[in-house]
Amino acid sequence: SQKIEQNSEALNIQEGKTATLTCNYTNYSPAYLQWYRQDPGRGPVFLLLIRENEKEKRKERLKVTFDTTLKQSLFHITASQPADSATYLCALSPSGGGADGLTFGKGTHLIIQP
Amino acid sequence: DADVTQTPRNRITKTGKRIMLECSQTKGHDRMYWYRQDPGLGLRLIYYSFDVKDINKGEISDGYSVSRQAQAKFSLSLESAIPNQTALYFCATSDPQGGTQETQYFGPGTRLLVL
Repeated sequence: SQKIEQNSEALNIQEGKTATLTCNYTNYSPAYLQWYRQDPGRGPVFLLLIRENEKEKRKERLKVTFDTTLKQSLFHITASQPADSATYLCALSPSGGGADGLTFGKGTHLIIQP
Repeated sequence: DADVTQTPRNRITKTGKRIMLECSQTKGHDRMYWYRQDPGLGLRLIYYSFDVKDINKGEISDGYSVSRQAQAKFSLSLESAIPNQTALYFCATSDPQGGTQETQYFGPGTRLLVL
Protein backbone atom coordinates (compact mmCIF):
# COMPACT_ATOMS: atom_id res chain seq x y z
CA SER A 1 0.00 0.00 0.00
CA GLN A 2 1.06 3.60 -0.49
CA LYS A 3 2.55 5.34 2.51
CA ILE A 4 3.97 8.72 3.40
CA GLU A 5 5.96 8.80 6.61
CA GLN A 6 7.19 11.78 8.57
CA ASN A 7 8.87 11.94 11.96
CA SER A 8 5.92 11.42 14.27
CA GLU A 9 7.61 12.88 17.31
CA ALA A 10 8.11 16.57 17.89
CA LEU A 11 11.44 17.98 16.80
CA ASN A 12 13.06 20.42 19.21
CA ILE A 13 15.70 22.71 17.76
CA GLN A 14 17.59 25.58 19.30
CA GLU A 15 17.08 28.99 17.72
CA GLY A 16 19.66 29.74 15.06
CA LYS A 17 20.33 26.10 14.21
CA THR A 18 19.21 24.28 11.09
CA ALA A 19 16.09 22.16 11.40
CA THR A 20 15.86 19.13 9.11
CA LEU A 21 12.59 17.30 8.59
CA THR A 22 12.23 14.01 6.72
CA CYS A 23 9.52 12.67 4.44
CA ASN A 24 9.73 9.09 3.19
CA TYR A 25 7.29 7.47 0.83
CA THR A 26 6.62 3.97 -0.47
CA ASN A 27 4.74 2.67 -3.50
CA TYR A 28 4.52 6.06 -5.14
CA SER A 29 6.17 7.38 -8.26
CA PRO A 30 5.48 11.06 -7.72
CA ALA A 31 6.12 13.67 -10.35
CA TYR A 32 6.61 16.16 -7.53
CA LEU A 33 6.42 16.57 -3.79
CA GLN A 34 5.12 19.52 -1.79
CA TRP A 35 5.70 20.90 1.69
CA TYR A 36 3.08 22.80 3.69
CA ARG A 37 3.13 24.58 7.01
CA GLN A 38 0.23 24.30 9.44
CA ASP A 39 -0.26 26.40 12.55
CA PRO A 40 -2.64 25.25 15.33
CA GLY A 41 -6.28 25.66 14.35
CA ARG A 42 -5.46 26.89 10.86
CA GLY A 43 -5.35 25.48 7.36
CA PRO A 44 -2.12 24.29 5.76
CA VAL A 45 -0.16 26.88 3.80
CA PHE A 46 1.90 25.94 0.77
CA LEU A 47 5.66 26.44 1.09
CA LEU A 48 7.56 24.66 -1.65
CA LEU A 49 7.13 22.22 -4.51
CA ILE A 50 9.96 20.14 -5.93
CA ARG A 51 9.71 18.11 -9.11
CA GLU A 52 11.19 14.69 -9.75
CA ASN A 53 13.87 16.10 -12.04
CA GLU A 54 14.99 18.65 -9.43
CA LYS A 55 17.47 17.69 -6.76
CA GLU A 56 17.09 20.81 -4.66
CA LYS A 57 14.84 23.84 -4.32
CA ARG A 58 15.37 26.93 -2.20
CA LYS A 59 13.19 29.75 -0.96
CA GLU A 60 14.72 32.22 1.46
CA ARG A 61 15.73 30.15 4.54
CA LEU A 62 13.98 27.03 3.28
CA LYS A 63 15.58 24.26 1.27
CA VAL A 64 14.02 21.04 0.01
CA THR A 65 15.77 18.05 -1.51
CA PHE A 66 14.18 15.19 -3.39
CA ASP A 67 15.81 11.80 -3.88
CA THR A 68 13.60 9.57 -5.99
CA THR A 69 15.99 6.65 -5.57
CA LEU A 70 15.80 6.77 -1.79
CA LYS A 71 12.13 7.84 -2.02
CA GLN A 72 12.83 10.63 0.38
CA SER A 73 12.55 14.39 0.69
CA LEU A 74 14.38 16.50 3.26
CA PHE A 75 13.11 19.91 4.35
CA HIS A 76 15.60 22.29 5.91
CA ILE A 77 15.04 25.55 7.73
CA THR A 78 18.30 27.41 8.26
CA ALA A 79 18.85 30.04 10.95
CA SER A 80 15.69 28.82 12.61
CA GLN A 81 13.50 31.22 14.62
CA PRO A 82 10.79 30.64 17.23
CA ALA A 83 8.28 31.87 14.61
CA ASP A 84 9.16 28.79 12.54
CA SER A 85 7.51 26.61 15.18
CA ALA A 86 4.63 24.81 13.48
CA THR A 87 3.66 21.46 12.00
CA TYR A 88 5.14 20.75 8.60
CA LEU A 89 3.37 18.45 6.17
CA CYS A 90 4.69 16.78 3.07
CA ALA A 91 2.27 15.86 0.32
CA LEU A 92 2.21 13.81 -2.85
CA SER A 93 -0.26 13.33 -5.64
CA PRO A 94 -1.27 9.65 -5.87
CA SER A 95 -1.94 10.03 -9.56
CA GLY A 96 1.07 12.17 -10.29
CA GLY A 97 -0.95 15.00 -11.73
CA GLY A 98 -2.33 16.60 -8.61
CA ALA A 99 -5.75 17.39 -9.97
CA ASP A 100 -7.46 14.68 -7.94
CA GLY A 101 -6.18 15.82 -4.58
CA LEU A 102 -3.11 15.25 -2.48
CA THR A 103 -2.11 12.61 0.02
CA PHE A 104 -0.50 14.12 3.09
CA GLY A 105 1.89 12.79 5.65
CA LYS A 106 0.85 13.12 9.28
CA GLY A 107 3.24 16.00 9.76
CA THR A 108 6.19 16.79 11.99
CA HIS A 109 5.72 19.23 14.86
CA LEU A 110 8.73 21.53 14.95
CA ILE A 111 9.55 23.54 18.06
CA ILE A 112 12.23 26.20 17.90
CA GLN A 113 13.42 27.08 21.36
CA PRO A 114 14.84 30.54 22.09
CA ASP B 1 -6.23 32.37 3.54
CA ALA B 2 -9.04 34.93 3.28
CA ASP B 3 -9.62 33.93 -0.36
CA VAL B 4 -11.11 30.65 0.84
CA THR B 5 -13.73 30.94 3.55
CA GLN B 6 -15.57 28.26 5.49
CA THR B 7 -18.74 28.46 7.53
CA PRO B 8 -19.36 27.71 10.26
CA ARG B 9 -15.97 27.78 11.95
CA ASN B 10 -17.20 25.64 14.81
CA ARG B 11 -20.21 23.38 15.04
CA ILE B 12 -21.59 21.06 17.68
CA THR B 13 -24.31 18.65 16.61
CA LYS B 14 -25.96 15.48 17.79
CA THR B 15 -25.82 11.99 16.39
CA GLY B 16 -28.28 11.52 13.54
CA LYS B 17 -28.56 15.16 12.59
CA ARG B 18 -27.94 16.37 9.05
CA ILE B 19 -25.50 19.22 8.79
CA MET B 20 -23.89 21.20 6.03
CA LEU B 21 -20.47 22.79 5.92
CA GLU B 22 -19.98 25.52 3.38
CA CYS B 23 -16.97 26.72 1.45
CA SER B 24 -16.65 29.81 -0.72
CA GLN B 25 -13.67 31.04 -2.69
CA THR B 26 -12.79 34.24 -4.49
CA LYS B 27 -9.68 32.85 -6.16
CA GLY B 28 -11.51 31.96 -9.35
CA HIS B 29 -10.23 28.38 -9.19
CA ASP B 30 -12.14 25.58 -10.86
CA ARG B 31 -10.98 22.80 -8.60
CA MET B 32 -12.24 22.44 -5.04
CA TYR B 33 -11.63 19.80 -2.39
CA TRP B 34 -12.85 18.70 1.02
CA TYR B 35 -10.47 17.10 3.50
CA ARG B 36 -10.83 16.02 7.09
CA GLN B 37 -8.04 16.05 9.63
CA ASP B 38 -7.90 13.84 12.69
CA PRO B 39 -5.17 13.80 15.33
CA GLY B 40 -2.59 11.19 14.40
CA LEU B 41 -4.15 10.50 11.00
CA GLY B 42 -3.31 13.55 8.99
CA LEU B 43 -5.41 15.04 6.21
CA ARG B 44 -7.63 12.73 4.19
CA LEU B 45 -9.53 13.57 1.02
CA ILE B 46 -13.33 13.27 1.15
CA TYR B 47 -14.55 14.66 -2.18
CA TYR B 48 -13.26 16.84 -4.97
CA SER B 49 -14.73 18.72 -7.88
CA PHE B 50 -13.24 19.93 -11.14
CA ASP B 51 -16.26 22.09 -11.98
CA VAL B 52 -19.96 22.31 -11.22
CA LYS B 53 -20.72 19.19 -13.26
CA ASP B 54 -17.80 17.09 -12.12
CA ILE B 55 -17.83 15.58 -8.62
CA ASN B 56 -15.50 12.81 -7.53
CA LYS B 57 -15.17 10.65 -4.45
CA GLY B 58 -12.00 10.75 -2.46
CA GLU B 59 -10.46 8.31 -0.04
CA ILE B 60 -13.17 8.51 2.64
CA SER B 61 -16.47 9.58 1.05
CA ASP B 62 -18.80 7.22 2.91
CA GLY B 63 -21.26 9.13 5.08
CA TYR B 64 -20.70 12.38 3.21
CA SER B 65 -22.17 14.10 0.18
CA VAL B 66 -21.25 17.30 -1.63
CA SER B 67 -22.83 19.95 -3.79
CA ARG B 68 -21.04 22.30 -6.17
CA GLN B 69 -23.55 25.12 -6.46
CA ALA B 70 -21.28 27.39 -8.47
CA GLN B 71 -17.65 27.72 -9.36
CA ALA B 72 -17.10 29.56 -6.10
CA LYS B 73 -19.12 27.34 -3.75
CA PHE B 74 -18.65 23.77 -2.61
CA SER B 75 -20.68 22.37 0.27
CA LEU B 76 -20.12 19.22 2.31
CA SER B 77 -23.05 17.48 3.97
CA LEU B 78 -23.15 14.86 6.67
CA GLU B 79 -26.44 13.08 6.03
CA SER B 80 -26.69 11.53 9.48
CA ALA B 81 -23.83 12.63 11.67
CA ILE B 82 -22.04 10.10 13.86
CA PRO B 83 -19.44 10.68 16.60
CA ASN B 84 -16.53 9.37 14.54
CA GLN B 85 -17.11 12.23 12.10
CA THR B 86 -15.85 14.56 14.78
CA ALA B 87 -12.86 16.21 13.11
CA LEU B 88 -11.41 19.35 11.60
CA TYR B 89 -12.69 19.85 8.05
CA PHE B 90 -10.83 21.82 5.43
CA CYS B 91 -11.86 23.11 2.05
CA ALA B 92 -9.15 23.72 -0.54
CA THR B 93 -8.85 24.99 -4.10
CA SER B 94 -6.38 24.66 -6.92
CA ASP B 95 -6.00 26.32 -10.29
CA PRO B 96 -5.60 24.07 -13.35
CA GLN B 97 -4.59 27.00 -15.50
CA GLY B 98 -1.68 28.33 -13.56
CA GLY B 99 1.89 27.20 -13.47
CA THR B 100 1.37 25.99 -9.94
CA GLN B 101 -1.66 23.86 -10.69
CA GLU B 102 -0.64 21.30 -8.16
CA THR B 103 -0.63 23.75 -5.24
CA GLN B 104 -3.63 23.74 -2.95
CA TYR B 105 -5.01 26.74 -1.08
CA PHE B 106 -6.78 25.90 2.14
CA GLY B 107 -9.55 27.57 4.06
CA PRO B 108 -9.37 28.15 7.83
CA GLY B 109 -11.23 24.96 8.68
CA THR B 110 -14.44 23.97 10.43
CA ARG B 111 -14.18 22.22 13.76
CA LEU B 112 -17.05 19.74 14.07
CA LEU B 113 -18.07 17.91 17.22
CA VAL B 114 -20.71 15.20 16.98
CA LEU B 115 -22.17 14.20 20.33
